[in-house]
Amino acid sequence: GAGVSQSPSNKVTEKGKDVELRCDPISGHTALYWYRQSLGQGLEFLIYFQGNSAPDKSGLPSDRFSAERTGGSVSTLTIQRTQQEDSAVYLCASSYSNSPLHFGNGTRLTVT
Amino acid sequence: SQQGEEDPQALSIQEGENATMNCSYKTSINNLQWYRQNSGRGLVHLILIRSNEREKHSGRLRVTLDTSKKSSSLLITASRAADTASYFCATPRDSGNTPLVFGKGTRLSVIA
Repeated sequence: GAGVSQSPSNKVTEKGKDVELRCDPISGHTALYWYRQSLGQGLEFLIYFQGNSAPDKSGLPSDRFSAERTGGSVSTLTIQRTQQEDSAVYLCASSYSNSPLHFGNGTRLTVT
Repeated sequence: SQQGEEDPQALSIQEGENATMNCSYKTSINNLQWYRQNSGRGLVHLILIRSNEREKHSGRLRVTLDTSKKSSSLLITASRAADTASYFCATPRDSGNTPLVFGKGTRLSVIA
């Protein structure tokens, strides 16, 4: 694809349910990043991958959050037992080596 | 963790005027990047300036970097309504280039 693709674009879920957010990076990009953006706020770093490994998981807010990347490509961010404070836009970005980041348009998550 | 902080938080100008946004950061960096975010979209990379550079131009954009003051500025000349967006600076959190940490951004409104 031409850019980073995220799905779904919008997700409404009930408190306590699990959700999976998907990111398809630009082909060939080795690094993949997940950020969270609350309304009117900056970006909060969550996790990044180099290939399939995640050298830095320090940004994950709690053990309800997990992420994986398979085949050096697609990544899934999973939030278990969602809470209302998880409501935000989840942004994925990819890059080749140390080049600037290319972002997807995000998944807007609303927990009711 | 180091983080860029943009100033002002919001800026409203008339079309044709120049817009200046500032960014301060906390620790030594090897590069600083500026990104733009249109409403409901992901971030788009604008320009990267390295620590050994003092000024960089790209079209109507001019970025300066003062490592002694740990600050950067983004100037948009002859602004257009299409420049309306949020602008973020980003710096590497660690001594390497990843992950990038972002400030809360400056919301620029250009009035036609």
